[in-house]
Amino acid sequence: AQSVTQLGSHVSVSEGALVLLRCNYSSSVPPYLFWYVQYPNQGLQLLLKYTSAATLVKGINGFEAEFKKSETSFHLTKPSAHMSDAAEYFCAVSEGANAGKSTFGDGTTLTVKP
Amino acid sequence: KAGVTQTPRYLIKTRGQQVTLSCSPISGHRSVSWYQQTPGQGLQFLFEYFSETQRNKGNFPGRFSGRQFSNSRSEMNVSTLELGDSALYLCASSLEGTGVNTIYFGEGSWLTVV
Repeated sequence: AQSVTQLGSHVSVSEGALVLLRCNYSSSVPPYLFWYVQYPNQGLQLLLKYTSAATLVKGINGFEAEFKKSETSFHLTKPSAHMSDAAEYFCAVSEGANAGKSTFGDGTTLTVKP
Repeated sequence: KAGVTQTPRYLIKTRGQQVTLSCSPISGHRSVSWYQQTPGQGLQFLFEYFSETQRNKGNFPGRFSGRQFSNSRSEMNVSTLELGDSALYLCASSLEGTGVNTIYFGEGSWLTVV
């Protein structure tokens, strides 16, 4: 069975500050990991995905995540927060290469203060 | 290219009724997944269809069912609605291929059961 834990249901940063959203996973097989963003009243949009090709994954909107097997982590970062980054972020792990059946974390709401 | 389209966007039903939600995937996508999103349970996988066959199923009661048509459009049905079925129902489609597929979400159908 696979699971994902997102540490911190709410994160608040100032505009221009570093964004760090934490995700730890549990998987009995090499995992495929994803970060999604959800804006109010919208569906989820893929930010980036880890597929074992490289441990540092760059995504859209300046986000990146680093896969650390020893720590079973896949934290999401962005060097400088923008007001438009305020949203809910979800980490997910899939069973094999099929992302259609994914297990999601509980989500982290990011607030960006001016 | 049109995205994943879900209809209706909002609906209100009474306990005991049934509801059918529709999902039109991105053109060419043959895999469709459904998720339920609630504040208490987060995002939970319902089922996945590929080429008109249910490929995976989540841990939901038999009141939740789905199907996929030859044009890849999918419907999900919930019978004997309960108050706890109030949720955002998200559909996602993907293009099967080599490597890890990317899933694209629709904006969801908001179901309120009263």
